[in-house]
Amino acid sequence: QVRLQESGPGLVKPSQTLSLSCTVSGGSISNGDYYWSWIRQPPGKGLEWIGYIYYSGNAYYNPSLKSRVTISVDTSKNQFSLKLSSVTAADTAVYYCARVKGYYDSSGYWQAAKDFDYWGQGTLVTVSS
Amino acid sequence: DIQMTQFPSSVSASIGDRVSITCRASQDISSWLAWYQQKPGKAPKLLIYGSSSLQSGVPSRFSGSGSGTDFTLTINSLQPEDFATYYCQQANTFPRTFGQGTKVEIK
Repeated sequence: QVRLQESGPGLVKPSQTLSLSCTVSGGSISNGDYYWSWIRQPPGKGLEWIGYIYYSGNAYYNPSLKSRVTISVDTSKNQFSLKLSSVTAADTAVYYCARVKGYYDSSGYWQAAKDFDYWGQGTLVTVSS
Repeated sequence: DIQMTQFPSSVSASIGDRVSITCRASQDISSWLAWYQQKPGKAPKLLIYGSSSLQSGVPSRFSGSGSGTDFTLTINSLQPEDFATYYCQQANTFPRTFGQGTKVEIK
């Protein structure tokens, strides 16, 4: 059973950089069938996709956050990480890490990185001085 | 970005009821639509992918349908553990986007 666990500071000051890690257990982050993602949810609000990364290091980001986001992977630790710079109160949210699965479509073609099938429990990050 | 609109935003239902939730995409997403269930204080759980494929371990009372821009999640014979918020998500283009959520409440 794959498990994901977020870790990092729960309080970040405005203008600083938010840094979180996600440790994967029960499976290898180097499994080429999956991507690894960050998603966030402001208190009482909906879900926002931040970006995801492949074990090779190829990353895709939400354009709304791209200038401030870096997602990296450390295959030796079976971890991937999120850095979000120049944070404001609007970045206060529960941050989730998730595995992104692909699958074969009806024509037999592999479709990568479609749906989020395993999630971490989430970690609340508050931006406040 | 593709906008995903869910309706209703909330629905009150009783145990045993059939509940349907609609998700509309702002442009054609083929069948690249997933549904998630989220309970308070918990991470979302994948229910349906590819518009109509049931994720492993999900009860068969959950079903999905649709293609193009209009999609439906149906819960047959609502159970106590189904009271939650449901989100749709498009997997057709970047950035991945979610609907605003539909809360299923006890009548």
